[in-house]
Amino acid sequence: GAVVSQHPSWVICKSGTSVKIECRSLDFQATTMFWYRQFPKQSLMLMATSNEGSKATYEQGVEKDKFLINHASLTLSTLTVTSAHPEDSSFYICSASLFYNSPLHFGNGTRLTVT
Amino acid sequence: AQSVTQLGSHVSVSEGALVLLRCNYSSSVPPYLFWYVQYPNQGLQLLLKYTSAATLVKGINGFEAEFKKSETSFHLTKPSAHMSDAAEYFCAVWGAGGTSYGKLTFGQGTILTVHP
Repeated sequence: GAVVSQHPSWVICKSGTSVKIECRSLDFQATTMFWYRQFPKQSLMLMATSNEGSKATYEQGVEKDKFLINHASLTLSTLTVTSAHPEDSSFYICSASLFYNSPLHFGNGTRLTVT
Repeated sequence: AQSVTQLGSHVSVSEGALVLLRCNYSSSVPPYLFWYVQYPNQGLQLLLKYTSAATLVKGINGFEAEFKKSETSFHLTKPSAHMSDAAEYFCAVWGAGGTSYGKLTFGQGTILTVHP
């Protein structure tokens, strides 16, 4: 079945540094990927839609300059948290679908801790 | 606009007992509905989906859900709980055909605990 791989699975960084998270669709091409954020004991909130070859579409309230998304190929999207602060600590999950109308397949998530 | 409400943030059952996790949705267009399971520090795994075909949907691990339009519900059930079912479950909705393709709206999640 469709597999979405996310790397790293966890990362600890110091405040003020930047962190890059990769999301890969391993056995299919994904023109669109989605980035979600999950706070402890809360549900998932969509951050942005990553479009291959074009700019990402951000949800209301998500800072574009802080959460940089690049979708350079049909199998890779990256999320870079710039100038990270402790409040950015969260669980970030990417997802992709095989085709329009098909269910999303999720990566295993990245636990980001900013100290 | 679409929304999902999961009734009960925690559900506790005994091993072998019926599992019932409740989900009500709101959608301005015909909905696609999903149940996902999440184990600690992992992503989400699709349990089952409703996409306007049969209203009773069977998924993996013995789970099933019934779409009831009149009640705007999509409750998840399993006849006999197993210890390995302990996890957090999310109901999600997507307005089919809408401009928000792929933008799932998730419920708050229900943590299922299974006692021996």
